[in-house]
Amino acid sequence: SAVISQKPSRDICQRGTSLTIQCQVDSQVTMMFWYRQQPGQSLTLIATANQGSEATYESGFVIDKFPISRPNLTFSTLTVSNMSPEDSSIYLCSVEAPARGAFYEQYFGPGTRLTVT
Amino acid sequence: SQQGEEDPQALSIQEGENATMNCSYKTSINNLQWYRQNSGRGLVHLILIRSNEREKHSGRLRVTLDTSKKSSSLLITASRAADTASYFCAYTLAGNNRKLIWGLGTSLAVNP
Repeated sequence: SAVISQKPSRDICQRGTSLTIQCQVDSQVTMMFWYRQQPGQSLTLIATANQGSEATYESGFVIDKFPISRPNLTFSTLTVSNMSPEDSSIYLCSVEAPARGAFYEQYFGPGTRLTVT
Repeated sequence: SQQGEEDPQALSIQEGENATMNCSYKTSINNLQWYRQNSGRGLVHLILIRSNEREKHSGRLRVTLDTSKKSSSLLITASRAADTASYFCAYTLAGNNRKLIWGLGTSLAVNP
C-alpha cells in the first residue's frame, strides 16, 4: 500500500484568493487523481494527473480554475483559484495501486478541508 | 448520469447485527470496489470484485455482484461500533479500468 500525505489538512480562505494543496506519496506512482467531496456527498473526480503530461480534467472542471502540477512520480499539487464559497469542500488526492492482474484500487490521502468565506 | 446509486442512504443497527448495503449501476463495468470512509482513517479501500466474479469474502465482509441486474451488495457480519462509517461503491466502466465512478454512499451507524 502507499502512504499519502496532504498539506494543508484544513484552511479557511477569503473569496477571491487561491490555495495550493500538496499531495506527497511515499512511493513512485504513475497516476494520481484529485477529487472533491462536498459535505455529506460522494466523491467527484476533478482531474487525473500523469507525470510528464498535462492533467486530464473531467467535465465541469477547467485548468484555469484548478491548475495541477505533477513534477515527479511522488508529488502533485492542486490549486483552487479565485475561490468562492461554493468551493468549500474536502479535496482528496489518491494514487492508483495495481491490484491483482490489471485491476486497480486507489489509496487516498487524508484530505484537505477548505472553507471559503 | 453514470453515477452509481446506493441504498439505503442511511442504516442504523445494533452491534452484532449484520448490515447490508446495495449498489446499482447503469452500464457494463470492468470491476466494482467498496470503500469505507470515517473521520479517523479517511477513505480506505475494502474489496474489489471483477466483472466475471460473483462473490468475494474478506474477513467479515462479503461482496456479491450480479451483472445481469447491474447491482452489488456489501454485507458486514457481526457488526462492531468501529464499523460506523460511510460506505461507497465505485466502479470502472468496461474498456476503462482506471477511472472510478462513485456511488452516493451509505451512512452506517452501529450502536453499542
